[in-house]
Amino acid sequence: AQSVTQLGSHVSVSEGALVLLRCNYSSSVPPYLFWYVQYPNQGLQLLLKYTSAATLVKGINGFEAEFKKSETSFHLTKPSAHMSDAAEYFCAVSRPGGYQKVTFGTGTKLQVIP
Amino acid sequence: DAMVIQNPRYQVTQFGKPVTLSCSQTLNHNVMYWYQQKSSQAPKLLFHYYDKDFNNEADTPDNFQSRRPNTSFCFLDIRSPGLGDAAMYLCATSRQGSDNSPLHFGNGTRLTVT
Repeated sequence: AQSVTQLGSHVSVSEGALVLLRCNYSSSVPPYLFWYVQYPNQGLQLLLKYTSAATLVKGINGFEAEFKKSETSFHLTKPSAHMSDAAEYFCAVSRPGGYQKVTFGTGTKLQVIP
Repeated sequence: DAMVIQNPRYQVTQFGKPVTLSCSQTLNHNVMYWYQQKSSQAPKLLFHYYDKDFNNEADTPDNFQSRRPNTSFCFLDIRSPGLGDAAMYLCATSRQGSDNSPLHFGNGTRLTVT
């Protein structure tokens, strides 16, 4: 079975500060990993995905994530937070093979303080 | 732009009164999913269609049904809504045969049960 654990249901950062959202995965096989963002009353939007081609993955809006197999982690970072980054972020894992049957983490709400 | 469209955005129904939520897509993806998301929780997969094949999650209540009359449309029927069914319902699609194809979400329908 596959799963992801997101540490911290709420994270607050000051505008311009580093954003770090933590995600650890559990999978019996090399997983596919994703980060999604959800703005209030909207669906989820893909930020970035790990495809095994490169361990450092760059996404939209200046976000990136690094796959670390030794730590079973896929933490999301952004060097400088912007007010528009305030949203909920979900880490997700799927098992390779066929279509996507995705398991989501419980989410982290990011607050950006002016 | 290719997209996933959910109607209506907001739906109010009475306790026990059947309700149908709709989803359409212009992505020509052959996998379609319905997720239930309660406040501050991760999306929970209810069921999905792989082409015309219906796949129900083991813990999805019988009260929830789905129809997919063609590639573009998918419906979620709640036969007798209870207060506990109030949630955001998210439709998503993905492309068969591409393991790292991400989910494409609609903006969701927020269901209120009175």
